[in-house]
Amino acid sequence: GDSVTQMEGPVTLSEEAFLTINCTYTATGYPSLFWYVQYPGEGLQLLLKATKADDKGSNKGFEATYRKETTSFHLEKGSVQVSDSAVYFCALNKAAGNKLTFGGGTRVLVKP
Amino acid sequence: GAGVSQSPRYKVAKRGQDVALRCDPISGHVSLFWYQQALGQGPEFLTYFQNEAQLDKSGLPSDRFFAERPEGSVSTLKIQRTQQEDSAVYLCASSPRVIGQGTGELFFGEGSRLTVL
Repeated sequence: GDSVTQMEGPVTLSEEAFLTINCTYTATGYPSLFWYVQYPGEGLQLLLKATKADDKGSNKGFEATYRKETTSFHLEKGSVQVSDSAVYFCALNKAAGNKLTFGGGTRVLVKP
Repeated sequence: GAGVSQSPRYKVAKRGQDVALRCDPISGHVSLFWYQQALGQGPEFLTYFQNEAQLDKSGLPSDRFFAERPEGSVSTLKIQRTQQEDSAVYLCASSPRVIGQGTGELFFGEGSRLTVL
């Protein structure tokens, strides 16, 4: 079945550091890929998405590129802020569906 | 507000009790999903509604779990005879699209945290 694997946290960084969260997936066909973020005390919200190979999703300074050859969708941000402290989830869904398959989440803590 | 609303936010139940969790989706959203999120894990799919029709309940872990959406708006997830392994956050999400039309952007509520003692 479909699955998503992402690096375990917590990831602790200083402000302005570079952030990478690795995400790889297993799926048949051509899934769409997503990063969702959960800030403390809030619900999951979509951060960015990519629907086909080589697409780059971007939002709030975060970027991720859909790499079909390596089945990866790594999340990056060049300079993190304290407000980026959250749990980040990588997810996929099949082209014909809205049912998301999530990774286990990566907690990121950014210290001033 | 205009987001997905869930209640109660926190529920403590004794083992064997029945619980009901409510979800108010965004107005007009035809698709509604329930997910279960165990501590430290990612959400896992439970069930999907398109309007009032429950089209997929493949993720419900046992027949103690039951979901309904009788008028195609508010949904209730019911868990009968709760057990300790049911302890989790139950997330509701909605979408204006139906399966086959969307690209997976779901709008999530804050969740209902269930603790079974």
